[in-house]
Amino acid sequence: EPEVTQTPSHQVTQMGQEVILRCVPISNHLYFYWYRQILGQKVEFLVSFYNNEISEKSEIFDDQFSVERPDGSNFTLKIRSTKLEDSAMYFCASSENRDTDTQYFGPGTRLTVL
Amino acid sequence: SQKIEQNSEALNIQEGKTATLTCNYTNYSPAYLQWYRQDPGRGPVFLLLIRENEKEKRKERLKVTFDTTLKQSLFHITASQPADSATYLCALSNNAGNMLTFGGGTRLMVKP
Repeated sequence: EPEVTQTPSHQVTQMGQEVILRCVPISNHLYFYWYRQILGQKVEFLVSFYNNEISEKSEIFDDQFSVERPDGSNFTLKIRSTKLEDSAMYFCASSENRDTDTQYFGPGTRLTVL
Repeated sequence: SQKIEQNSEALNIQEGKTATLTCNYTNYSPAYLQWYRQDPGRGPVFLLLIRENEKEKRKERLKVTFDTTLKQSLFHITASQPADSATYLCALSNNAGNMLTFGGGTRLMVKP
């Protein structure tokens, strides 16, 4: 069964450094998302992406964040200058089309900012 | 502001019984409501989706109800098994393709 994959599974970085989290959505899906979950807290929406542009973003998704689909398969989240409070699990998700709306999540990348 | 509430206390039940989890929401008119399962350190796994014009949805041992008047969804697992032990998340969206807003989840423990 097709799955969303994410790399790396765990990323440790120093505060102020840039990180890029990578995702490979399910191949025929058209909508892509990033969510994050701080330890012990709710899953929170960051951004959605469709047709090579951001379609929706939350207040969390400020100028430090950016997303890109650099080729036909990858979908990336970049954090330009990481802060301690960016430490969280970051989940990528994808959905097939507007009619189904089921979002399938990847296993997550655990980001630790020191 | 929009609020989605799930019982934050763990639900402990005996194997074979039916588990019932609740999701209540306020200041929201969702078009879709979804239930996910999350195991520790893992991503949410989709279980069931129910639309605003549907009252009930079933899949194997799972059943979801959606009452837009009460602003509540109930999630049932019948004949529960220890392998059903996990955190169950309720998530709402306004439209297909839009962001999901998650509740805090309810941890279910099924004891043999």
